Amino acid sequence: TQLLEQSPQFLSIQEGENLTVYCNSSSVFSSLQWYRQEPGEGPVLLVTVVTGGEVKKLKRLTFQFGDARKDSSLHITAAQPGDTGLYLCAGVFGNQFYFGTGTSLTVIP
Amino acid sequence: DVKVTQSSRYLVKRTGEKVFLECVQDMDHENMFWYRQDPGLGLRLIYFSYDVKMKEKGDIPEGYSVSREKKERFSLILESASTNQTSMYLCASSLGGQPQHFGDGTRLSIL
Repeated sequence: TQLLEQSPQFLSIQEGENLTVYCNSSSVFSSLQWYRQEPGEGPVLLVTVVTGGEVKKLKRLTFQFGDARKDSSLHITAAQPGDTGLYLCAGVFGNQFYFGTGTSLTVIP
Repeated sequence: DVKVTQSSRYLVKRTGEKVFLECVQDMDHENMFWYRQDPGLGLRLIYFSYDVKMKEKGDIPEGYSVSREKKERFSLILESASTNQTSMYLCASSLGGQPQHFGDGTRLSIL
């Protein structure tokens, strides 16, 4: 049983389109982290959200933490080929990390 | 910047061999982790360690052991490698619940 479910699992879109990736759980987390992993490399942190309802923006990426701190979303505006990669969410409780299964995004030029 | 270094990017071993995967971090993080990553299964935690000589089983410890003799080094050991252990192995470190810093991974093939 996966504690954190991500959807969709795969996403292929044209350059310039918008997209949203979801990370859902029935558990409450003290914080939630989003990572991006490019082929042949390890995941790299994009953002951490801590407060319920928090919204953070990183250029064209918008991250939101659910009010109940059980879920999160990542919205990308006007996707670029450089956004291609595997997006992972991770819920944190104390020293424990719970990773989602990931969303593999391909942006076609 | 935190640097997590895994000893090999690619490794090919034979069934039954004892395999050592090494990981070193340079930021004095107390937490270190070993994951394996397989298509469709995400990151699965094998073992983690909160301090020197301490280790805790993750979700899939069977067939693996670990060693943490020094704070900066966390080794993953496949006691007798099997083909179902062919995978990408990722090491990470963190300070408490702060974000994890990952190495670039070791792609291990067991023939």
